[in-house]
Amino acid sequence: EAGVAQSPRYKIIEKRQSVAFWCNPISGHATLYWYQQILGQGPKLLIQFQNNGVVDDSQLPKDRFSAERLKGVDSTLKIQPAKLEDSAVYLCASSWPGGAGANVLTFGAGSRLTVL
Amino acid sequence: AQKITQTQPGMFVQEKEAVTLDCTYDTSDPSYGLFWYKQPSSGEMIFLIYQGSYDQQNATEGRYSLNFQKARKSANLVISASQLGDSAMYFCAMRENYGGATNKLIFGTGTLLAVQP
Repeated sequence: EAGVAQSPRYKIIEKRQSVAFWCNPISGHATLYWYQQILGQGPKLLIQFQNNGVVDDSQLPKDRFSAERLKGVDSTLKIQPAKLEDSAVYLCASSWPGGAGANVLTFGAGSRLTVL
Repeated sequence: AQKITQTQPGMFVQEKEAVTLDCTYDTSDPSYGLFWYKQPSSGEMIFLIYQGSYDQQNATEGRYSLNFQKARKSANLVISASQLGDSAMYFCAMRENYGGATNKLIFGTGTLLAVQP
C-alpha cells in the first residue's frame, strides 16, 4: 500500500512569512496527526483529526498555526507568521481510529522547515 | 503526567553484535501501550515493535525484541545481529490515555545508534 505522502520535503522562509504543508494519509485511515519534531527532541503532537473533525489540538499554537482536513482525507498545516523557533520537521501520520492495542501510527517522511 | 525517558543520547555497536537501547516510562494508568520507532537520516519514522501493558510475553519482531520489565517501568529494545542499515535514531513512545479516542503518542528524546563494520 502507498505510504503517507508529504510535501514539500524542505522549505526555507524568512521569519514573519507564511508556509503551508500538505499531507495525504494512507487510504482508509480515518485518523490523521501532525507532529512537530525540533532538532534533538522527540516528536510532539500538534493536532489530531478523526475524519474531518479535530480530536486534540491542545498543543497547537493557535495564534500562528492552523490545520484543516476538509474532506476527511488530505490535510494542510499552515504557519503564519513564522517564528525562528518554528524551525523543525513537521511529520504527518495516519492510523485507524481508536487508542487501544497495537494501533500503529504510520508516518510520512516529514517536511523540514528552516526559518531565517 | 506520562513521561518517556531515554538516557542514552548515542550508542556504538559492532556489526553482527547485539545492542540494547534503554527506555523507562512513567504512568499511573494500569493500561498502556509502548512502541519503538526507527528514524533513519531520511526522516521517516518506521514502526518496529509494540508491547501492551497486559501482554504476558515480551514482544518480538524478527531481530527486534522488547525487554519489558513492568515493575521497573522499563521497555528496552534489543536488536540482535546488528546490521549497517540499523544505524539510525531510535525513539521509544507511549500511548497516552489508553483506550480513549486520541491515540496520542508521547515520545522520548531518542538514541542515536551507529553500527560499525
